[in-house]
Amino acid sequence: NAGVTQTPKFQVLKTGQSMTLQCAQDMNHNSMYWYRQDPGMGLRLIYYSASEGTTDKGEVPNGYNVSRLNKREFSLRLESAAPSQTSVYFCASSVRGRNEKLFFGSGTQLSVL
Amino acid sequence: AQTVTQSQPEMSVQEAETVTLSCTYDTSENNYYLFWYKQPPSRQMILVIRQEAYKQQNATENRFSVNFQKAAKSFSLKISDSQLGDTAMYFCAFMFDNTDKLIFGTGTRLQVFP
Repeated sequence: NAGVTQTPKFQVLKTGQSMTLQCAQDMNHNSMYWYRQDPGMGLRLIYYSASEGTTDKGEVPNGYNVSRLNKREFSLRLESAAPSQTSVYFCASSVRGRNEKLFFGSGTQLSVL
Repeated sequence: AQTVTQSQPEMSVQEAETVTLSCTYDTSENNYYLFWYKQPPSRQMILVIRQEAYKQQNATENRFSVNFQKAAKSFSLKISDSQLGDTAMYFCAFMFDNTDKLIFGTGTRLQVFP
């Protein structure tokens, strides 16, 4: 079982460059999420999608856009990367309801120079 | 706004001993869920244990148990018979009953020594 697959695993960008982080899940989950993890800050929610066709802002959405392409895929785009966006990015998915738990991808280490 | 606080940035324990990681949270809601996630050096996030706020009984999963004190808004994790493989970052997290958003604490780095 693949679970949640993120690509790429590592990326280096120059300030001002754009890129898209890809995420796909094969568990038929409704909800998908993008988090960033910074030292001493824990995981902070960037955007989430409760179902196909819907997206909502989390705690730190500025500088990012997302697309819920279909039920499986949820991409995160940086239009003009900044050094402050250097972080580890995690995609996650879950089944809504009382048995809620998140399944995480393995993360993307992004460095913006 | 809801917050989750982990006041111990780092902890250490000797193999086979018991260690307790602290977590407090702030909310005015009555229905919610609490979680502990483990993040080993591989970076993967792994669910350790889950507690529903409406349940008075503390959750237990093998060597992992919680002490859930709803009035005090405290949710500590006890790891018994610590093993070297328990070395990881541990994150406490909170979620409302009617949302999909999980709010994380800043984490506690646990080192298990032989």
